[in-house]
Amino acid sequence: DAGVIQSPRHEVTEMGQEVTLRCKPISGHDYLFWYRQTMMRGLELLIYFNNNVPIDDSGMPEDRFSAKMPNASFSTLKIQPSEPRDSAVYFCASSLARPGVSPYNEQFFGPGTRLTVL
Amino acid sequence: AQKVTQAQTEISVVEKEDVTLDCVYETRDTTYYLFWYKQPPSGELVFLIRRNSFDEQNEISGRYSWNFQKSTSSFNFTITASQVVDSAVYFCALSINAGNMLTFGGGTRLMVKP
Repeated sequence: DAGVIQSPRHEVTEMGQEVTLRCKPISGHDYLFWYRQTMMRGLELLIYFNNNVPIDDSGMPEDRFSAKMPNASFSTLKIQPSEPRDSAVYFCASSLARPGVSPYNEQFFGPGTRLTVL
Repeated sequence: AQKVTQAQTEISVVEKEDVTLDCVYETRDTTYYLFWYKQPPSGELVFLIRRNSFDEQNEISGRYSWNFQKSTSSFNFTITASQVVDSAVYFCALSINAGNMLTFGGGTRLMVKP
């Protein structure tokens, strides 16, 4: 299995530009999570989906952030317009949460996208 | 609300020393899951272990061992005979439902010097 795939790995953009981060979860996983990691705030959840449906987006900082999961194998996190304070590493993770199925409840993380907004 | 506290922000040891990373959690739920993740300098997050709230057995995996104590709400991680390759940031995390979001601690940066 290829694991969770994220693209791009690095993104440098200018303030005001639209940024789209992409994630392909592990095939068969029914949960998908977007996390952000910064020095100031550590690792924090932005939003998560179950069976492609957004369950909790209370961590999304503001309306500039939006996330979609059009199908079980693809999700996007969009920032429009981007600001320097959005600079961070964005992780996507997926998990399989069905009792009796291993590895139950373990979240597998992608390599992250390092976003720099100038 | 859930909370995970890793009081040690940074630990430095010399190779072959044993080291324990502390993790204290808070939750009102009776069913929950505890995790440890490793983040090496390359940046990825590597799963190390998951523990259910109803299973207090300690676990050993090679040089790694975990001590789960519900009475003190702690889930500590010990590396025996540390090696330079153990240098990383280690995160403790909590989930109150299967498949649900992880609440992370602030992480402990472990530096193992040769």
